[in-house]
Amino acid sequence: QVQLQQSGPGLVKPSQTLSLSCAISGDSVSSNSAAWNWIRQSPSRGLEWLGRTYYLSKWYNEYAVSVKSRITVNPDTSKNQFSLQLNSVTPEDTAVYFCARGASWPRGWYFDLWGRGTLVIVSS
Amino acid sequence: QSVLTQPPSVSGAPGQRVTISCTGSSSNIGADYDVHWYQQNPGTAPKFIIYGNGNRPSGVPDRFSGSKSGTSASLAISGLQAEDEADFYCQSYDSSLSGFVFGTGTKVTVL
Repeated sequence: QVQLQQSGPGLVKPSQTLSLSCAISGDSVSSNSAAWNWIRQSPSRGLEWLGRTYYLSKWYNEYAVSVKSRITVNPDTSKNQFSLQLNSVTPEDTAVYFCARGASWPRGWYFDLWGRGTLVIVSS
Repeated sequence: QSVLTQPPSVSGAPGQRVTISCTGSSSNIGADYDVHWYQQNPGTAPKFIIYGNGNRPSGVPDRFSGSKSGTSASLAISGLQAEDEADFYCQSYDSSLSGFVFGTGTKVTVL
């Protein structure tokens, strides 16, 4: 059974870096039929896709325009996990952060497996 | 922030049929990108219930059905049950944003 296990701090100070990890069991971060995503949810912004990493002969990263200048999503093949780094956070980045597996579909991907979510509060 | 618009809430009595609309534009649903649907119970992660406009993954009851036309999509729940009370979200891809987008979400209430 495939599972995603999230880890990382729940409190980050303004202007600092938010860092989360998502460990994969039952699948591989190097799979050529999946993409590994970060999605967040807040009352003000709803569900918001942030970015993804995937392997197709080489590694690719894609990011949402809204956070492109501040985000990095990296795979870690030695630990079979992937990570999120969001720099220069503000209180507006307070949200529940989910990692999710993306499944390919001819006309767009969907998210077929989700982590349990991590509430991250940005506050001094 | 969401580019896909859904009604905030819909309700129905047990056994009734309810539908949830998802309205997009020419850069997402209207650009022939497929629509997928998720169900979210309080305090839990979303769970996908419809993919590729109208396909159900194994384990999802056939009471759930999806369709798409033009720049909109719909999720229908027939034979409404108490356990269907949850938030529902549509999702697609937007070519203008070069990223995945979600709907504003709809709360389904079983009366």
